[in-house]
Amino acid sequence: RKEVEQDPGPFNVPEGATVAFNCTYSNSASQSFFWYRQDCRKEPKLLMSVYSSGNEDGRFTAQLNRASQYISLLIRDSKLSDSATYLCVVNRRAGTASKLTFGTGTRLQVTL
Amino acid sequence: SQTIHQWPATLVQPVGSPLSLECTVEGTSNPNLYWYRQAAGRGLQLLFYSIGIGQISSEVPQNLSASRPQDRQFILSSKKLLLSDSGFYLCAWSKGFGNSPLHFGNGTRLTVT
Repeated sequence: RKEVEQDPGPFNVPEGATVAFNCTYSNSASQSFFWYRQDCRKEPKLLMSVYSSGNEDGRFTAQLNRASQYISLLIRDSKLSDSATYLCVVNRRAGTASKLTFGTGTRLQVTL
Repeated sequence: SQTIHQWPATLVQPVGSPLSLECTVEGTSNPNLYWYRQAAGRGLQLLFYSIGIGQISSEVPQNLSASRPQDRQFILSSKKLLLSDSGFYLCAWSKGFGNSPLHFGNGTRLTVT
């Protein structure tokens, strides 16, 4: 079983739609969680951290369920510019280093 | 603010040739440094990480090596490239404490021919 699993998509949604991605992780010792966004042929960029109580940043809402070991990302009022691959990332401490494991990503295509 | 520089952006190398990719971080001290590789259509794979000068941890056996000769410099090398070394190589840094996110450089797209 992969350490971090995501539905690869693609999710094709019209502009203005709400879309949700889920991600599951296998290592219960995982300590912190993130969502990254990666545009085609570019480096991943941090979208948001995921906190236990859930957190929101504008149109984006992240949730964490430690008991079920899954993370979610909700995007409201989708924009064309939201089209990208969204990477679920799980962090496990290794001494003082952060060992982040990336999911393979969920591709989102927002259309007119 | 912190910045991370990675070069070159694109590289085409023949099989059997050596490789050296360099990454430097500015605006922070004693960062954790990382090399990831992303093969075409695949996820990111952690290759090496370093918590300090001369301290390198390797995640997977491979044809590559890493070095950290200075606090904010991380180098990825190979003596002889294989076709399977082709991919998108990403350097990243994080703060050396807590559960910090990674911040990536722009990446190097390596094609081995």
